[in-house]
Amino acid sequence: DQQVKQNSPSLSVQEGRISILNCDYTNSMFDYFLWYKKYPAEGPTFLISISSIKDKNEDGRFTVFLNKSAKHLSLHIVPSQPGDSAVYFCAASDNFNKFYFGSGTKLNVKP
Amino acid sequence: NAGVTQTPKFQVLKTGQSMTLQCAQDMNHNSMYWYRQDPGMGLRLIYYSASEGTTDKGEVPNGYNVSRLNKREFSLRLESAAPSQTSVYFCASSEALYTDTQYFGPGTRLTVL
Repeated sequence: DQQVKQNSPSLSVQEGRISILNCDYTNSMFDYFLWYKKYPAEGPTFLISISSIKDKNEDGRFTVFLNKSAKHLSLHIVPSQPGDSAVYFCAASDNFNKFYFGSGTKLNVKP
Repeated sequence: NAGVTQTPKFQVLKTGQSMTLQCAQDMNHNSMYWYRQDPGMGLRLIYYSASEGTTDKGEVPNGYNVSRLNKREFSLRLESAAPSQTSVYFCASSEALYTDTQYFGPGTRLTVL
């Protein structure tokens, strides 16, 4: 029973447009959320995080939004670039008591 | 600065064979982790080590053992491999247990026939 779900296995976006990756969770005790990016044949790399005391965190082209009432977070990439093509995992933890990962969304940014 | 390294990169085993996956980090991190990634599923925690000398079970520990050899190294052993253990295995490390960023190795792709 997955506590963190990414319901879109893949997403295709045109270069320059916005990419929106979604993640839903079931455990209301989760208070820390992260996004990781993974290229083929490499390990995941940390992208951006957000604490439950915030509803938005921004880092350059990447913004994460958290809607606690809906148990939903999203990652916005603006503008999308071909180098952003990768698999994106969201993860959540309860007071740093283990991370639970979603199944990933494969983003393809078309030139 | 190599970060987290894993050996081997690929391995094919027959059912019942044993093997050890090696992981080392050069960031002086206290905590280390082993995950497996299967198609359609997220990364699932197998075992973790909060600090040198300690190890604990994660979400899916059955069929695996671990050793925290020293602060740098954390190995994962399959005593009797089964086809259900076919997966990609990632080692990760962080400064402290579960806090903030975990740094991942490149992974080991294991196939059990």
